[in-house]
Amino acid sequence: AQSVAQPEDQVNVAEGNPLTVKCTYSVSGNPYLFWYVQYPNRGLQFLLKYITGDNLVKGSYGFEAEFNKSQTSFHLKKPSALVSDSALYFCAVRDGTGANNLFFGTGTRLTVIP
Amino acid sequence: DAGVIQSPRHEVTEMGQEVTLRCKPISGHDYLFWYRQTMMRGLELLIYFNNNVPIDDSGMPEDRFSAKMPNASFSTLKIQPSEPRDSAVYFCASSLPGARGRIYEQYFGPGTRLTVT
Repeated sequence: AQSVAQPEDQVNVAEGNPLTVKCTYSVSGNPYLFWYVQYPNRGLQFLLKYITGDNLVKGSYGFEAEFNKSQTSFHLKKPSALVSDSALYFCAVRDGTGANNLFFGTGTRLTVIP
Repeated sequence: DAGVIQSPRHEVTEMGQEVTLRCKPISGHDYLFWYRQTMMRGLELLIYFNNNVPIDDSGMPEDRFSAKMPNASFSTLKIQPSEPRDSAVYFCASSLPGARGRIYEQYFGPGTRLTVT
């Protein structure tokens, strides 16, 4: 069965500091991994995805994520946080069996402190 | 493209009333998904369609919930009768079909905030 865990409900970081939002996954077969961001009263916006290839994936707004197969992790990172990055972040996984549905984590609320 | 369009954005209704939520996917997207988001349960997949055909409705909570996709550009999620515990934000999302092994992301609409009193 597919699942995603986001171990931190809340992450606080000072503006200008690097940020990391953690995600671990469990799937049958090859994992397809996604990060989404949700701003207040908005729908989820796609940030980046890992399908295959380089373990470091670059996405929108300066975000990147590192796929680690041995640790079954897909942590979201950004070298320098902005106050405007404050939002709810979701990790999601789709397995390689052909089904197109995503399994979402419970979300991590990122607060960037000025 | 205007993105995924949902209506209404907000709906307040009384318990027992019928509620219909509407979604227009992005043109050319063959997959359509309905999700529900609450503080307690997070983001839940209710049902998804491929080429207007329901593929997996195992997330639909009860028979009070039904979804249709009569054509490629329109889908509805209906709750009849509604109950206070149905209060949530309902999202529609769509994605490309992923031919030739390509994996595409889902694009979400702005959501419908449903309040059942």
